[in-house]
Amino acid sequence: RKEVEQDPGPFNVPEGATVAFNCTYSNSASQSFFWYRQDCRKEPKLLMSVYSSGNEDGRFTAQLNRASQYISLLIRDSKLSDSATYLCAVNVNAGKSTFGDGTTLTVKP
Amino acid sequence: NAGVTQTPKFRILKIGQSMTLQCAQDMNHNYMYWYRQDPGMGLKLIYYSVGAGITDKGEVPNGYNVSRSTTEDFPLRLELAAPSQTSVYFCASSYAQGRKETQYFGPGTRLLVL
Repeated sequence: RKEVEQDPGPFNVPEGATVAFNCTYSNSASQSFFWYRQDCRKEPKLLMSVYSSGNEDGRFTAQLNRASQYISLLIRDSKLSDSATYLCAVNVNAGKSTFGDGTTLTVKP
Repeated sequence: NAGVTQTPKFRILKIGQSMTLQCAQDMNHNYMYWYRQDPGMGLKLIYYSVGAGITDKGEVPNGYNVSRSTTEDFPLRLELAAPSQTSVYFCASSYAQGRKETQYFGPGTRLLVL
């Protein structure tokens, strides 16, 4: 079993749709959690950190469920510009992130 | 700030050749990382460093070497290039704030080994 697993998709949704991604992790000692966005042939960029209480940034909401060992990312009112690959990252120790393989989202007009 | 810079952007190597991928950051980050990303896959950690003079292996270190003589630079050395090392290589850095460090990535180096 991989340490961090994501549904690879692809997710194809119309503009304005709400879409959710999950990411499961196997190490219960994991401490920090992140969502990164990666555009085609570009480097990953931090989208948002995931806090225990959940957090929201505009149309994006991240949640952490420690009991079930997963994090989620919800995107509301999808825009064409949201089309990208979304990577989750999990840190057990400071300095080492384990990344999922990414979930590809395509938002269509 | 330039952030994280990588050179070259693209390189073709013949089997058995060697090369050094350069990475530099100007954010005074103590942590630096090298990842490889194969097509359609996530990031695999090759090596990382928690400060000048300190390096450690990641998930896929075989065939690579690193050094960290300064805070700013973290070069990755490929000896005896093999087709399996064809990939996109990303360097990243972070400033650890407790355990919630955010990684900043360079633009990547695309390597093709023929």
